[in-house]
Amino acid sequence: DAGVIQSPRHEVTEMGQEVTLRCKPISGHNSLFWYRQTMMRGLELLIYFNNNVPIDDSGMPEDRFSAKMPNASFSTLKIQPSEPRDSAVYFCASSLETGELFFGEGSRLTVL
Amino acid sequence: LAKTTQPISMDSYEGQEVNITCSHNNIATNDYITWYQQFPSQGPRFIIQGYKTKVTNEVASLFIPADRKSSTLSLPRVSLSDTAVYYCLVGDVWTGGFKTIFGAGTRLFVKA
Repeated sequence: DAGVIQSPRHEVTEMGQEVTLRCKPISGHNSLFWYRQTMMRGLELLIYFNNNVPIDDSGMPEDRFSAKMPNASFSTLKIQPSEPRDSAVYFCASSLETGELFFGEGSRLTVL
Repeated sequence: LAKTTQPISMDSYEGQEVNITCSHNNIATNDYITWYQQFPSQGPRFIIQGYKTKVTNEVASLFIPADRKSSTLSLPRVSLSDTAVYYCLVGDVWTGGFKTIFGAGTRLFVKA
């Protein structure tokens, strides 16, 4: 079975541009998580969904960030406009209600 | 959410047993204890989860005392490839969606 699939793996963009990160969770998993990881702040939970519904978005840094989950097999994290301080590795993870998270390989974002 | 405290870093040598202790003094009745491992440039990977006493799998053992205010991850006979960051998490896995928050983790460095 395929794991969590994220795209793109790497993205380099310029400040002010829109960035869209994509995630396909493991089939059958009902929870989906977006994390951001930097050296300074470690692994931060941005938002998580349960049964496609956003449960807690208190970790989303500001209004420039938005996340959607239109169906059980797809989620996006959008940054508009992007800023250099958004540079990080963004991870998507999915799980069943047992709490074991399965992570994707991450999307490394560089904003110039 | 129960706050966790674990050592920032640990060193070991190949072939030794490594024990990483995590403190979670305000753990709640419904909370489980979960450990993850993260290698550079990868997302965290689930290692083991437990509620009380001892849990063992092919990778590690998890020891939880009766008061559950701490837990110890035990890695038998570590190798160089066990060099990674290890995260201890505590939370209720049975609510609708499990808000999984990672702390700073313990950076384990295994030397030859």
